[in-house]
Amino acid sequence: DAGVIQSPRHEVTEMGQEVTLRCKPISGHNSLFWYRQTMMRGLELLIYFNNNVPIDDSGMPEDRFSAKMPNASFSTLKIQPSEPRDSAVYFCASSFGGRNTEAFFGQGTRLTVV
Amino acid sequence: KNQVEQSPQSLIILEGKNCTLQCNYTVSPFSNLRWYKQDTGRGPVSLTIMTFSENTKSNGRYTATLDADTKQSSLHITASQLSDSASYICVVSAAFSGGYNKLIFGAGTRLAVHP
Repeated sequence: DAGVIQSPRHEVTEMGQEVTLRCKPISGHNSLFWYRQTMMRGLELLIYFNNNVPIDDSGMPEDRFSAKMPNASFSTLKIQPSEPRDSAVYFCASSFGGRNTEAFFGQGTRLTVV
Repeated sequence: KNQVEQSPQSLIILEGKNCTLQCNYTVSPFSNLRWYKQDTGRGPVSLTIMTFSENTKSNGRYTATLDADTKQSSLHITASQLSDSASYICVVSAAFSGGYNKLIFGAGTRLAVHP
């Protein structure tokens, strides 16, 4: 398996533009997580899907952020409109099974909003 | 409040030496504790995962310990190599109903191994 695949790896956009980050989880995994990592705040959970249904979106910073999981093999995280403070590395992770299973992370998307 | 604190914040050691990283947590209800290694520019990779009943687990040169009574964990690296240079993140899972775990991340310890 190729692991969790994220695209793009890098994104530079101007303030106010819409940004869409994409994630393909590991085949067969039923849980998907979006995280944001910055130097100041470390890793933060944004949203968690289980069986394609959003279970916990309490980490989504504000209405400018939205996430979808239309099927088991694809998820998007959208920021509209983007702001410079959204600049961070965004990770997608997936896992399968119960509470004590491992989460596998993608390589991340480095977003820079100028 | 669920929190995970790691120490030291950063550490420099010479190749071949051992080191120990610390993690203290206040997370409830506790489900498991994980140590991740994150190389620069890459996603975190799991090293160990321990449940309440486990107090030690090894993965090659990495050995993690867990004291659920004092809510402390450590990650011991033996005979360090240059490739061990990375951030090490302690992650504690809080268990919720329906099988859902919420992961609480520490800020990480940045380890640099010098030749």
